[in-house]
Amino acid sequence: NAGVTQTPKFQVLKTGQSMTLQCAQDMNHEYMSWYRQDPGMGLRLIHYSVGAGITDQGEVPNGYNVSRSTTEDFPLRLLSAAPSQTSVYFCASSYSPGGNNSPLHFGNGTRLTVT
Amino acid sequence: SQQGEEDPQALSIQEGENATMNCSYKTSINNLQWYRQNSGRGLVHLILIRSNEREKHSGRLRVTLDTSKKSSSLLITASRAADTASYFCATDEDRGSTLGRLYFGRGTQLTVWP
Repeated sequence: NAGVTQTPKFQVLKTGQSMTLQCAQDMNHEYMSWYRQDPGMGLRLIHYSVGAGITDQGEVPNGYNVSRSTTEDFPLRLLSAAPSQTSVYFCASSYSPGGNNSPLHFGNGTRLTVT
Repeated sequence: SQQGEEDPQALSIQEGENATMNCSYKTSINNLQWYRQNSGRGLVHLILIRSNEREKHSGRLRVTLDTSKKSSSLLITASRAADTASYFCATDEDRGSTLGRLYFGRGTQLTVWP
């Protein structure tokens, strides 16, 4: 099993550009989520999904969109990138439908720089 | 707002010593988890402790949970240089349902010197 796969690993965007961060898992996990990690801030939840077709907002959803058309994939879209979105982004999945009763499995992250 | 907060922010010890990290949280929880992150990598789950448990062990790890004080501690015994990493606690909100969010603290950076 590959686990949780994130692409790309690195990305540089100009302000105003859009892009999609990809996340795929092959563990048949119902729960998937996106976090951003900034120095001194720890991890903050952006969006999450408890199953295909269901998404919800986390702590810092502004500027990001998500969709969950399949169990395996949970892409994160930046509609108009801003320098404040410079961060490391982590995708995580869990067997637990609620995402809180079993371990999260993390990808290795996407390091995004917005200039 | 973030739920868990680790203390200390940084910890530096010698190999063989024990490392203790603490986590405090604000609201009632269903469970608390500890994760480890090596530099440049994703987080790796270490241990989960439920709100009705007081102590849990896994290898050299010992986790305690005190729901009355809303705090948890992670003890790593006989530390090794390979334990050098950041350690995070994560908690969920107790909404009375299975649909919860998992919130992470800012982490403790542990450095173990050979």
